[in-house]
Amino acid sequence: KQEVTQIPAALSVPEGENLVLNCSFTDSAIYNLQWFRQDPGKGLTSLLLIQSSQREQTSGRLNASLDKSSGRSTLYIAASQPGDSATYLCAVSGGATNKLIFGTGTLLAVQP
Amino acid sequence: DVKVTQSSRYLVKRTGEKVFLECVQDMDHENMFWYRQDPGLGLRLIYFSYDVKMKEKGDIPEGYSVSREKKERFSLILESASTNQTSMYLCASSNTLVPQTQYFGPGTRLLVL
Repeated sequence: KQEVTQIPAALSVPEGENLVLNCSFTDSAIYNLQWFRQDPGKGLTSLLLIQSSQREQTSGRLNASLDKSSGRSTLYIAASQPGDSATYLCAVSGGATNKLIFGTGTLLAVQP
Repeated sequence: DVKVTQSSRYLVKRTGEKVFLECVQDMDHENMFWYRQDPGLGLRLIYFSYDVKMKEKGDIPEGYSVSREKKERFSLILESASTNQTSMYLCASSNTLVPQTQYFGPGTRLLVL
C-alpha cells in the first residue's frame, strides 16, 4: 500500500531564505507526483505536477524534483516571502485510476 | 478558470442527522472526488466518480454514500452523522484520467455534536 511522508511537519524561516520541503513515497510505481498549497481553512491549489518520466518542473520561484527510484521528491522555494506561508502537500498518483495519495503536509511559516 | 464550489463553508449537525454536502464544477469534468481532511492524517479519499451515475469507493467509504445524477454535481451523504465524522470535507474534479490535475473546492468544515 502506497504511503506518502512529508518531513518536516512544520518549518519556520526568515524572509528571503531558500528552503526545501521533502516528500517520500514507498511504492515507486507512480504515474505522477503533485505539489499543492493549502491556505488556512481553504481548499488546495495545485502548484506543480511532475510526470513519472520527468525529473523536475519549475514555476517561478518554485522547483520540484522527482527521483522515482529512491521514492523522493523535493520542493525548492527560492527567496521565500511571507505570502508563501501555507501548508504544502505532496500527492502521488498510481495505478490506472486518478486516485491521489496525499502526505500529511508541511506547515511553512515565513517570518517577515 | 475551473471553478469548484461547495454548498456550505461551515455546517453544524447533530448526531443521527442525515447530512448532504453538495459540490458543483463548471468545467464539464468527468471525474469528481470527495475527501476528508483530518489533522495528522492528511487527505483521505471517501468516494469518487468517473461519470454520471457511476461511483467507486475510496479508502474510507464507511458511513458515507454519494450521488451523481448530473455531470456537474457530486453529492456526499452522511446517512446518520456521528461525532467521528467531524472533519473538513473537500471536493475535487478533473477532466482526464492520467495525467491530470485535480481542482479543489474551498472545503466544508462539518461539526457533528
